[in-house]
Amino acid sequence: GAVVSQHPSWVICKSGTSVKIECRSLDFQATTMFWYRQFPKQSLMLMATSNEGSKATYEQGVEKDKFLINHASLTLSTLTVTSAHPEDSSFYICSAKMGDYYRGNQPQHFGDGTRLSIL
Amino acid sequence: GQSLEQPSEVTAVEGAIVQINCTYQTSGFYGLSWYQQHDGGAPTFLSYNALDGLEETGRFSSFLSRSDSYGYLLLQELQMKDSASYFCAVRFRDDKIIFGKGTRLHILP
Repeated sequence: GAVVSQHPSWVICKSGTSVKIECRSLDFQATTMFWYRQFPKQSLMLMATSNEGSKATYEQGVEKDKFLINHASLTLSTLTVTSAHPEDSSFYICSAKMGDYYRGNQPQHFGDGTRLSIL
Repeated sequence: GQSLEQPSEVTAVEGAIVQINCTYQTSGFYGLSWYQQHDGGAPTFLSYNALDGLEETGRFSSFLSRSDSYGYLLLQELQMKDSASYFCAVRFRDDKIIFGKGTRLHILP
């Protein structure tokens, strides 16, 4: 089946540093990828839609200068958390849109997530 | 805006049947999906209803009634491994997915 790889799976860093998270579609081309954030015991909140070759579309309340998204190829989108602070600690999950290549009514395939802890 | 409401927690006994309800206030969506998420893991797709009615996939079934703005996930023959969080989610035309608040399912032996 379709696989979406997310890296790293876990990162701890000091406050003020920037952290880059990669999301790759391994066996299909994804013109669109989505980035979610999930705080403990809460739901997945859509942060932004990443479109290959164009600017990302951010959801209301998400700081675009804080969360930089780059979708430079059909198989890779990156999320960079700039100048990270403890309140940015969360579980970040990407998903890749299958487009016309649907499989069983599942339009998105999710990565395994990145647990980010800012000290 | 969109909102999807689910019970925050449900407890059931191993081997039993449990229903997790989802009510929503949204429009213009293609269908209602259900996802399972174990602690520390990513959501995994369970079921999808584009049309009103019941969809059955093994031990899991999902139901949608657009006129009632309501859906549910039915889990049969509960197993301990079914202990997880379950999210209903609406899928829009551009394949954007908005998740509900999630229901934590506790299963007792």
